[in-house]
Amino acid sequence: NAGVMQNPRHLVRRRGQEARLRCSPMKGHSHVYWYRQLPEEGLKFMVYLQKENIIDESGMPKERFSAEFPKEGPSILRIQQVVRGDSAAYFCASSRRPKNTEAFFGQGTRLTVV
Amino acid sequence: GQQLNQSPQSMFIQEGEDVSMNCTSSSIFNTWLWYKQDPGEGPVLLIALYKAGELTSNGRLTAQFGITRKDSFLNISASIPSDVGIYFCAGQTSNSNSGYALNFGKGTSLLVTP
Repeated sequence: NAGVMQNPRHLVRRRGQEARLRCSPMKGHSHVYWYRQLPEEGLKFMVYLQKENIIDESGMPKERFSAEFPKEGPSILRIQQVVRGDSAAYFCASSRRPKNTEAFFGQGTRLTVV
Repeated sequence: GQQLNQSPQSMFIQEGEDVSMNCTSSSIFNTWLWYKQDPGEGPVLLIALYKAGELTSNGRLTAQFGITRKDSFLNISASIPSDVGIYFCAGQTSNSNSGYALNFGKGTSLLVTP
């Protein structure tokens, strides 16, 4: 029973490029949450999605960031025109019920913008 | 999101010692959670607390939900080297069946020497 799978584990992008981060939830989980972690900081909530719907995007920057969770396939966090300040670890979590207190986290994607 | 103050920032102890860390907030939370994060990994849930005054144990770990609902502590008894990692508290303002954001502290880094 695989856990939450995130890929890639490490991603290097030049300023101005696009970054696409993928998250495959645990089997049977239809609720996905994305968090960002800056060095030596706690996790900051970004967005909560159910299949084909964005439920809460109150933590998403207004520009350049978008997220989706299609009917088929993984959830995608997309960052356009990356800047150095986007360098961080991005974690995805999934849950069976709509309660993020029951969510399991993936291993994260470490994004480095050079 | 609400600000969580977690202390101490770091601890350096000997194997066998007990450890105590706490988390305070200026806001009331309905749920308190404690996570452990190993280097290069995602957070793993240790203990979840859902009621003010609740005291819950998980092996050598004990956590309490403060009566004021604005604080929580985590104790680790008889520490061992594998307890090394970063411990995060997280709080949530609602227990409703909706994906409200988790607010994380900045973490307590624990180092245990044999």
